[in-house]
Amino acid sequence: GNSVTQMEGPVTLSEEAFLTINCTYTATGYPSLFWYVQYPGEGLQLLLKATKADDKGSNKGFEATYRKETTSFHLEKGSVQVSDSAVYFCALSVGSGNTPLVFGKGTRLSVIA
Amino acid sequence: KAGVTQTPRYLIKTRGQQVTLSCSPISGHRSVSWYQQTPGQGLQFLFEYFSETQRNKGNFPGRFSGRQFSNSRSEMNVSTLELGDSALYLCASSLERQGNEQFFGPGTRLTVL
Repeated sequence: GNSVTQMEGPVTLSEEAFLTINCTYTATGYPSLFWYVQYPGEGLQLLLKATKADDKGSNKGFEATYRKETTSFHLEKGSVQVSDSAVYFCALSVGSGNTPLVFGKGTRLSVIA
Repeated sequence: KAGVTQTPRYLIKTRGQQVTLSCSPISGHRSVSWYQQTPGQGLQFLFEYFSETQRNKGNFPGRFSGRQFSNSRSEMNVSTLELGDSALYLCASSLERQGNEQFFGPGTRLTVL
């Protein structure tokens, strides 16, 4: 089956620190990969995505590269801010059209000033 | 353009009751998906509707049902509520053939006492 494994949190960083959240996946077929972010009291927002191997998704200073050989899609940011504090979800979808998203468990990030 | 809206935002019910949650997708979006979010199980796919037809279904008991109207608004119903149904229920909408990018609403927080 399809599954996503991401690093357990919580992750606590100081402002301007470097962030890495690991994500690996198992998929039958060729998945599209996503990072979603959930701020307190809100729904999920798409942060970035990649649809084929070696694609790099980027948004708001966050980046992730689709690595087919290691089945990974790690999220990185060079310098985090307090406003980045949220829960981050790695997800995949297999097939064309509007197929269901399969999510990881989420990683809570807290950034302190 | 208005985002995905969900009503009500909060709901408290007792065991054995039933509940109906509503979702209004982004204008022009014809696909609506529902997800359940709990601390223990994370985000799990319930079902997806497109043009008033259920197109995908997750692994939930028959107590969970849904429907979609001709204006793409969707409702989900949970009958004979159990304590374990307490969760955040998220609705997501997307365009047909828009890859797999889904836009999420803020969710309905259901508490079963």
